[in-house]
Amino acid sequence: AQTVTQSQPEMSVQEAETVTLSCTYDTSENNYYLFWYKQPPSRQMILVIRQEAYKQQNATENRFSVNFQKAAKSFSLKISDSQLGDTAMYFCAFKPGSQGNLIFGKGTKLSVKP
Amino acid sequence: ETGVTQSPTHLIKTRGQQVTLRCSSQSGHNTVSWYQQALGQGPQFIFQYYREEENGRGNFPPRFSGLQFPNYSSELNVNALELDDSALYLCASSLEWGRGGELFFGEGSRLTVL
Repeated sequence: AQTVTQSQPEMSVQEAETVTLSCTYDTSENNYYLFWYKQPPSRQMILVIRQEAYKQQNATENRFSVNFQKAAKSFSLKISDSQLGDTAMYFCAFKPGSQGNLIFGKGTKLSVKP
Repeated sequence: ETGVTQSPTHLIKTRGQQVTLRCSSQSGHNTVSWYQQALGQGPQFIFQYYREEENGRGNFPPRFSGLQFPNYSSELNVNALELDDSALYLCASSLEWGRGGELFFGEGSRLTVL
């Protein structure tokens, strides 16, 4: 079975500092996609960053970057210069290349403190 | 360009009743999927529709059913409601989901079953 594990239920970081959220996944597929989604209290899930498994280069989007370790099946999210607006639930998600659905982890609740 | 919109935002039902949740996809998106998010959990895939046909289903019983209309809007129907059906129901749409494109989420419908 394909699974996504986020081992940190809650994390906190001071404003302007850097924080890393962990994610591991389990699959036997070679073609897949990985995502980090942010869900603020307003509930709408927003894409933060995505990574295609066949690309070795780690994805970056402004203050957000990932550390994709394919052999270790690890996909961590680094948030630099944390802002108060980054406070939210963060979900790691996996999409098998052969299927249409997203498999989500249980999420990490991130609090950015002033 | 309007995003994904869902209705109603909140509703309360009693055990055994039936409910219909509605979703308007983002303009031009031909793929819509539904997810159930229980409190404190990550979303779980219910099913997906592509051009009005169901093309993927998660581990949910047949009392969860859906429709996608020619304008790509969608409905989720749940019959014989159970207490465990209480959750946030998320609709998401995409144009290039098969190639790992972005999935756009609505704000969800919060269902409470008493």
